[in-house]
Amino acid sequence: AQKVTQAQTEISVVEKEDVTLDCVYETRDTTYYLFWYKQPPSGELVFLIRRNSFDEQNEISGRYSWNFQKSTSSFNFTITASQVVDSAVYFCARPSGGYNKLIFGAGTRLAVHP
Amino acid sequence: DTAVSQTPKYLVTQMGNDKSIKCEQNLGHDTMYWYKQDSKKFLKIMFSYNNKELIINETVPNRFSPKSPDKAHLNLHINSLELGDSAVYFCASSLSGGTDEQFFGPGTRLTVL
Repeated sequence: AQKVTQAQTEISVVEKEDVTLDCVYETRDTTYYLFWYKQPPSGELVFLIRRNSFDEQNEISGRYSWNFQKSTSSFNFTITASQVVDSAVYFCARPSGGYNKLIFGAGTRLAVHP
Repeated sequence: DTAVSQTPKYLVTQMGNDKSIKCEQNLGHDTMYWYKQDSKKFLKIMFSYNNKELIINETVPNRFSPKSPDKAHLNLHINSLELGDSAVYFCASSLSGGTDEQFFGPGTRLTVL
């Protein structure tokens, strides 16, 4: 299986700090997609973003931004001016096997303290 | 409006029992999935259905049997429950197979005693 690696198990920051969550993926495909999901303490999985490999432009959505670097097989996620409500487990994922089964990274638990 | 719903939200049962979890989506999607999240938060695909047809069965014990009566529903039946089945089970759906984003239900926390 083509893996997704989130090396940071837990990150702890103080409110208003910027924080970057790392995601490194394996691929043998020329075309592929990458995803980020958020799992807050309430437990649901919330879709954040889908990017395709053709588009290497950085994506920004409010305080969230994503940096896609094909050269290093990375798709990192930055939260600017973090808030307590950003506390969650964040998952990076990619489809695999041609059937849209999502392969998830192990997740990074982000704790934002007041 | 709930897009992907699951029932029950919590399920506590004894080893050896049989239980079912139901999932419904009102998004008009063609593809539905079951994922298992273990105690370490690791998420793994179990099954995928496209237009009621099974397309992914990810080496799951045959005590687990999914059933899709129509495109909007995908249920999961588990026979002879074991302690190791304790986990959170998520249902998800996507517009079609391929690379569309998947939308997840709220999860069912199964505890086997």
